[in-house]
Amino acid sequence: EIVLTQSPGTLSLSPGERATLSCRASQSVSSSYLAWYQQKPGQAPRLLIYGSSSRATGIPDRFSGSGSGTDFTLTISRLEPEDFAVYYCQQYGSSRTFGQGTKVEIK
Amino acid sequence: QVQLQQWGAGLLKPSETLSLTCAVSGGSFSGYYWSWIRQPPGKGVEWIGEINHSGSTNYNPSLKSRVTISIDTSNNQFSLKLSSVTAADTAVYYCGRGRGYNYGYALDIWDQGTMVTVSS
Repeated sequence: EIVLTQSPGTLSLSPGERATLSCRASQSVSSSYLAWYQQKPGQAPRLLIYGSSSRATGIPDRFSGSGSGTDFTLTISRLEPEDFAVYYCQQYGSSRTFGQGTKVEIK
Repeated sequence: QVQLQQWGAGLLKPSETLSLTCAVSGGSFSGYYWSWIRQPPGKGVEWIGEINHSGSTNYNPSLKSRVTISIDTSNNQFSLKLSSVTAADTAVYYCGRGRGYNYGYALDIWDQGTMVTVSS
């Protein structure tokens, strides 16, 4: 089973700042099968990025994804107040696994 | 607008079987991968398993021995059974829609989730 490790666990930033979230896989993941989700308290996760770099429908272009192999990154170019949330990466290989999440909190 | 709505027992005793059903409305049922995912209180997200419209299943290896996912294509529903539950199975359970290859099999629609508590 592929293990996804996200870092940092918590990211403390101010609105307007740039956020860079990392997702590292225990073995190579097809970039086609790496997704990112955003979860706010009391809500289900929401798909942000699929195929490591494609934005899902309705996702603002301040969200971008990149990476390949074992290292993937989610970047939020300028944090808006509604972006403070927990973010999960997820891979789809023989089965699905999620990372443990990165919390982006207001500094 | 595709919507998912689930129902099932919210309180179970240890050793009982968890049973949830998710109904899909407003869109096609075929061509997708219908998933169950859970999230223990204050913790991260864990994928349980999935089924496609043909009935082919794929399970989380750590839960495989206790999980059965089935599908009812005539009613656009899919179901989860998790046997021999313990307190560790207490979580919010979500059902979700997985897209196909061109979408990286990502889970693009989720329901609002339902809390299932296991307690004696």
